[in-house]
Amino acid sequence: ETGVTQTPRHLVMGMTNKKSLKCEQHLGHNAMYWYKQSAKKPLELMFVYNFKEQTENNSVPSRFSPECPNSSHLFLHLHTLQPEDSALYLCASSQGLPVVNTEAFFGQGTRLTVV
Amino acid sequence: LAKTTQPISMDSYEGQEVNITCSHNNIATNDYITWYQQFPSQGPRFIIQGYKTKVTNEVASLFIPADRKSSTLSLPRVSLSDTAVYYCLVVGNKLVFGAGTILRVKS
Repeated sequence: ETGVTQTPRHLVMGMTNKKSLKCEQHLGHNAMYWYKQSAKKPLELMFVYNFKEQTENNSVPSRFSPECPNSSHLFLHLHTLQPEDSALYLCASSQGLPVVNTEAFFGQGTRLTVV
Repeated sequence: LAKTTQPISMDSYEGQEVNITCSHNNIATNDYITWYQQFPSQGPRFIIQGYKTKVTNEVASLFIPADRKSSTLSLPRVSLSDTAVYYCLVVGNKLVFGAGTILRVKS
């Protein structure tokens, strides 16, 4: 238990569906992150939020839409995804930014399959 | 953003000490060196972090030479459960992961 909870743990969706991934942390952290990890590939940083404000978008396609209503919650809204978007989506949080001299805590991830 | 280079994979046996070296030639003054561990289908877990010299905690040691252009993660007496991917990160303002080192511990 890392203090970062992601739901659902598994999700299968069609290419025309709309779904959302949820991340919640009770660590009092101010920075939250979304990562994508495709099979046998390194983690790819997608989005970074600090104090609810987006500070980084790593050229992520618009079919992925993040939302951070408060410092404890982070969502990733998904629509019209492609099969190549199938991956493990990981949420993380840290005390704040910059992230030096601190550690990030990761959730267990959501295994997404797009059919 | 400092680039890191580490071995793609390593094999070891139970009870041995494992040392994984990471090179980061263009590390910046404010960067810290951080190591994470990841098991399949789980999120990475922080292992250890350091700025220079040696840092030790209950699971690992981190050795950083004076020039800080490399670092070595040392895992004492590994067990089968230490089989995982180990990531070396040079952390400034971003938390960017490289390919990592796949460590396989055999009995």
